[in-house]
Amino acid sequence: NAGVTQTPKFQVLKTGQSMTLQCAQDMNHNSMYWYRQDPGMGLRLIYYSASEGTTDKGEVPNGYNVSRLNKREFSLRLESAAPSQTSVYFCASSELAELYEQYFGPGTRLTVT
Amino acid sequence: GNSVTQMEGPVTLSEEAFLTINCTYTATGYPSLFWYVQYPGEGLQLLLKATKADDKGSNKGFEATYRKETTSFHLEKGSVQVSDSAVYFCALWQAGTALIFGKGTTLSVSS
Repeated sequence: NAGVTQTPKFQVLKTGQSMTLQCAQDMNHNSMYWYRQDPGMGLRLIYYSASEGTTDKGEVPNGYNVSRLNKREFSLRLESAAPSQTSVYFCASSELAELYEQYFGPGTRLTVT
Repeated sequence: GNSVTQMEGPVTLSEEAFLTINCTYTATGYPSLFWYVQYPGEGLQLLLKATKADDKGSNKGFEATYRKETTSFHLEKGSVQVSDSAVYFCALWQAGTALIFGKGTTLSVSS
């Protein structure tokens, strides 16, 4: 099993460009999450999907959109990238019954210039 | 609201030294508490957990005890190794809420 996979691993964007970060999990988990990690800030939840067909905002949703494409895949879109969105982005998944035990992907390092 | 505070790093130790990373929390009711670890270049992974007061979570030689009276969940290891070098996150969860992480503490162990 690959667990949680994310693409791309690295990306550089110019201000105003758009892009989609892809995430897939092969553990048959119901819930999926997107976080951003910034120095000194820990992890902050951007959006989550408790189950297929539902999405909800987390702590820092502004500037982002998400799509739960199917049970396996959960994508994060930046419509108009800003330098403040320079960060490392992590996708995670969990079972509904154990929402606290989250499995993380390796991350995408995004730089917006 | 709920929050987690953990000691700022970096923590720098020699191999075989004793490790303590402090974590305190603020929450109503009885949250579950966790330590996650992030090795260089990887995502986070669950290290240990405790779901009620006085529980002790343990894994890979690490331990933490859920102390409700002091609202703490300090991480300890008796003898650290170079391979323990990582960032450690304390986290809190209650039903109906998101998992809340502390800011992380970087541990660097030298041989």
